[in-house]
Amino acid sequence: GIQVEQSPPDLILQEGANSTLRCNFSDSVNNLQWFHQNPWGQLINLFYIPSGTKQNGRLSATTVATERYSLLYISSSQTTDSGVYFCAVWKDYKLSFGAGTTVTVRA
Amino acid sequence: EAQVTQNPRYLITVTGKKLTVTCSQNMNHEYMSWYRQDPGLGLRQIYYSMNVEVTDKGDVPEGYKVSRKEKRNFPLILESPSPNQTSLYFCASSLSQGAGEQYFGPGTRLTVT
Repeated sequence: GIQVEQSPPDLILQEGANSTLRCNFSDSVNNLQWFHQNPWGQLINLFYIPSGTKQNGRLSATTVATERYSLLYISSSQTTDSGVYFCAVWKDYKLSFGAGTTVTVRA
Repeated sequence: EAQVTQNPRYLITVTGKKLTVTCSQNMNHEYMSWYRQDPGLGLRQIYYSMNVEVTDKGDVPEGYKVSRKEKRNFPLILESPSPNQTSLYFCASSLSQGAGEQYFGPGTRLTVT
C-alpha cells in the first residue's frame, strides 16, 4: 500500500513563530487532505489540496503532486494551533494517513 | 448544517456484549467509511461503502461488520467486542466514490473491559 511520511514528528513553537510541516507519499494519489486533531480528538478539515496552493487565514498548504509531497505552513502560531496535524492521501478507495506531527505552541 | 454524526460519543462496555455505533450524514454523500485510531498506529480504515448495499473491507476489518441499507446511514457493528477493540472510532463520508473531500464525524471513544 501507499506510504505516507510526515515530518517532523514533534514540533515545539513559541507563540508567534512560523513553521512548516511536510508530507511525503510513495505513489501517485487522487487527492490529499490536511487535518488538525484538537485536544478533544476531533478531526478538523484544513485543506483539500490535490495540487497547487491554498490559503486559509494563517494557514496555507502546497501540494506538488508530481514530486509526491505536500507542505503545511503555519504563520504567527497561536496556542490554539496546538494539536496533531495529519496528512492523508486518497488512492484505491482508501484514505491513508501519515503518523502526524504533534505541534505544541507555548505562550 | 452539513455534518457527519456518530452515536454514542463515549461507550464503556464488557467483552462479548454486542454493540452498534451509528453514523449518519446529511450531505447526500455516496461514499462512507469507518476508521479506528490507536496510539502509535495512527488512523486505519476498517470498512468502506461506495453506495447503498456496496461495502468492502479496509485494512483492519476483523471483528467488525457494517451495513449500508440507506444512503445516509452506515452503522458499525461489533458482534462480540474484545479489549483489543478499545479505540477511538471515526466515521467519514465524501460526495464521490473516492477522491472527493472526506468529512469526519466527531469520533466515538470505545472502551471494552
